[in-house]
Amino acid sequence: GENVEQHPSTLSVQEGDSAVIKCTYSDSASNYFPWYKQELGKGPQLIIDIRSNVGEKKDQRIAVTLNKTAKHFSLHITETQPEDSAVYFCAAKSSNDYKLSFGAGTTVTVRA
Amino acid sequence: GAGVSQSPSNKVTEKGKDVELRCDPISGHTALYWYRQSLGQGLEFLIYFQGNSAPDKSGLPSDRFSAERTGGSVSTLTIQRTQQEDSAVYLCASSLAASGTSPPQFFGPGTRLTVL
Repeated sequence: GENVEQHPSTLSVQEGDSAVIKCTYSDSASNYFPWYKQELGKGPQLIIDIRSNVGEKKDQRIAVTLNKTAKHFSLHITETQPEDSAVYFCAAKSSNDYKLSFGAGTTVTVRA
Repeated sequence: GAGVSQSPSNKVTEKGKDVELRCDPISGHTALYWYRQSLGQGLEFLIYFQGNSAPDKSGLPSDRFSAERTGGSVSTLTIQRTQQEDSAVYLCASSLAASGTSPPQFFGPGTRLTVL
């Protein structure tokens, strides 16, 4: 089955700086890669996703890049704000499956 | 529109008791998923429903776990004879039909289960 690894497990950044989270996956058939943000006591919220037919996608301060050859994808948050503090999860889904395989999560803390 | 809702938000039970967790998916979503999130961990797939098809139960950790989905909408996850290791947040997600393309999965707020 799919195995997703996520790094780092914790990330502390100064407000206004950028944050980068990296994930690798094992199944070459994976073609859908969403990112979720989870705040304390809440369910995961989809913030951005990318499909294997594109290499980069951007939505305001958030961008995701995908390298299919290397089987890794990354989340970039620019101009971080205190409200960006949360746990972020990457996930991957194979073209011949329906369930998401999740990374272990990254706790992001934005220092004011 | 309304998102995925789950009830109860918190459940404390004694070891050996049965519990039922409920999920109301987004209207029009035919696919429904249950995941489990243990403390400090990622999400672990449990079970998947698609329309009227037989569910995929391959992620259920033991035969104490079961789930049903009535009328293609509301789903109930049942855990019998609960054990302390069942303590976790149980998350439900729904999406449009999962075959073919990969529609986004939207999660509910979860049910935090504590087994004493």
